[in-house]
Amino acid sequence: DQQVKQNSPSLSVQEGRISILNCDYTNSMFDYFLWYKKYPAEGPTFLISISSIKDKNEDGRFTVFLNKSAKHLSLHIVPSQPGDSAVYFCAASGGSSNTGKLIFGQGTTLQVKP
Amino acid sequence: DTGVSQDPRHKITKRGQNVTFRCDPISEHNRLYWYRQTLGQGPEFLTYFQNEAQLEKSRLLSDRFSAERPKGSFSTLEIQRTEQGDSAMYLCASSLLIFGELFFGEGSRLTVL
Repeated sequence: DQQVKQNSPSLSVQEGRISILNCDYTNSMFDYFLWYKKYPAEGPTFLISISSIKDKNEDGRFTVFLNKSAKHLSLHIVPSQPGDSAVYFCAASGGSSNTGKLIFGQGTTLQVKP
Repeated sequence: DTGVSQDPRHKITKRGQNVTFRCDPISEHNRLYWYRQTLGQGPEFLTYFQNEAQLEKSRLLSDRFSAERPKGSFSTLEIQRTEQGDSAMYLCASSLLIFGELFFGEGSRLTVL
């Protein structure tokens, strides 16, 4: 039962353009959402998060949008840079669990071409 | 370095052998998580500790797997009688807040031959 889904395994964009990564979830009880970035042979690193009481959170070039009615969130990177090339995971927490554990999507590999 | 530390980074073992991984969380973090990641998948939750108490275990954690966190500091994850299907990256993470980001280590990659 995949509660968090990233349906696009890969995305390729040109440097300077916008990258949009999408994520869907099924558990309406999730109340906190995060995006992580992962380079090969490294652990995931936190990028940005959003609480379910908000619909947008911005941090520099990164903006996360949350559409609770559609159970959908997206990560926008503007402008995209070659150093952004990595695997991006969305994650969710809350629901029936009070441990703070995160449920991850399968990841989207972003390639930013110079 | 005050991040999450994992050891060893790589482990190659033969099927049937036992392996143990160690995780040192960020010192003030009382919450510790183990995850497993296989190729093309996101990290999958294995188990959670709050201080020294193991409060949640995933059904992925078969009886060949055991985790401990004595004294609420470092944690160990042991896999007994390893199988080829155990080959994966084992990630440890820690946090201070119940709802907030998890800080991940660089992982321990296990290859079972």
